[in-house]
Amino acid sequence: DTAVSQTPKYLVTQMGNDKSIKCEQNLGHDTMYWYKQDSKKFLKIMFSYNNKELIINETVPNRFSPKSPDKAHLNLHINSLELGDSAVYFCASSRLAGGQETQYFGPGTRLLVL
Amino acid sequence: DQQVKQNSPSLSVQEGRISILNCDYTNSMFDYFLWYKKYPAEGPTFLISISSIKDKNEDGRFTVFLNKSAKHLSLHIVPSQPGDSAVYFCAATGGGGADGLTFGKGTHLIIQP
Repeated sequence: DTAVSQTPKYLVTQMGNDKSIKCEQNLGHDTMYWYKQDSKKFLKIMFSYNNKELIINETVPNRFSPKSPDKAHLNLHINSLELGDSAVYFCASSRLAGGQETQYFGPGTRLLVL
Repeated sequence: DQQVKQNSPSLSVQEGRISILNCDYTNSMFDYFLWYKKYPAEGPTFLISISSIKDKNEDGRFTVFLNKSAKHLSLHIVPSQPGDSAVYFCAATGGGGADGLTFGKGTHLIIQP
């Protein structure tokens, strides 16, 4: 069983569209994260949720809205997609909040905006 | 502004030899450091970590060394095996709370037979 899963694995869409990426973890963790890996290969934190509450919100355009319906899910909705949103998006989870908790990553969603 | 730097984009090592991957950081608030390994089309996988109160942590073939005064850490893999070929990311966190990890750009390690 996959610990952290993401759907879809690939997403190709036109500029201006709205899309969602789903993330689910079956580890019973309290904290979930979204990271973005851009074309320069940097992995950067976008959001962190602890028990369905937003903890970290880095400087991310408000076109990006995370939604956590329950502890096991953290979805990422992106409005009005732009070319620069093309990247690989990784979801992760950790048992508890706290920098020393090991984070477990999903396989990534490759988003291409045309 | 890169707070975690991995200056070697790639490293080629012969099977059986030692692989040494380096990482530098600039943020003095970082107090916990991690190495992640990543295969193509997969997410990063946790490998080993070290707290700033230690200068060495060992787990099997993997050892991480931390030099706080130099703001430098390194990952040693010995002996290197073909399955070690992957991209290795250095990451850091600090200050407590639900910290996201700050990653370096990664080093692509290639183990040659």
